[in-house]
Amino acid sequence: DAGVTQSPTHLIKTRGQQVTLRCSPKSGHDTVSWYQQALGQGPQFIFQYYEEEERQRGNFPDRFSGHQFPNYSSELNVNALLLGDSALYLCASSLVDSYGYTFGSGTRLTVV
Amino acid sequence: GENVEQHPSTLSVQEGDSAVIKCTYSDSASNYFPWYKQELGKGPQLIIDIRSNVGEKKDQRIAVTLNKTAKHFSLHITETQPEDSAVYFCAASLNQAGTALIFGKGTTLSVSS
Repeated sequence: DAGVTQSPTHLIKTRGQQVTLRCSPKSGHDTVSWYQQALGQGPQFIFQYYEEEERQRGNFPDRFSGHQFPNYSSELNVNALLLGDSALYLCASSLVDSYGYTFGSGTRLTVV
Repeated sequence: GENVEQHPSTLSVQEGDSAVIKCTYSDSASNYFPWYKQELGKGPQLIIDIRSNVGEKKDQRIAVTLNKTAKHFSLHITETQPEDSAVYFCAASLNQAGTALIFGKGTTLSVSS
């Protein structure tokens, strides 16, 4: 049973560029949440998608946007990258309105 | 909004000892409290969770306790083993399943043999 799959695992971008991260949820899950984890910190909630709609959003600027596809996979887009966007981006999937989140291994984004 | 504080930030124990990590939360509406273990290069893995209608939950060497009045919850690991070495995060969620998890800053546990 495949867990949560994220791609790419690592990438390096230049300040001002745009980036797209991808997530395939665990089989049977229909909800995807994205978290940002800075070095030495706990994950911070960015937003959650269900039925292709943004359902809940954390305290992140509009430069962060997302999308969910009919197959429940999701993308996280970040525009106008800042050095402070360097972090591990985690995707977590779950079944709607359930407590069981499964996290992927994350995408390590470095902005130079 | 919800704020979760976690202590200590680092914890070193000898193999076989017990380890305790404590968290406090601010929003009395929170009702779900999971604990995650994160190993180097991996995402957080759920190890145990507790809901606000329960005071204690055990799973083999791991237990979690919850004090709703004081708004704090703790992770207890008994008979620690070197493979328990990792970063542990507590989290809290508001009173509806599927809402965002608010994480503590993590505790780095080192178990030496």
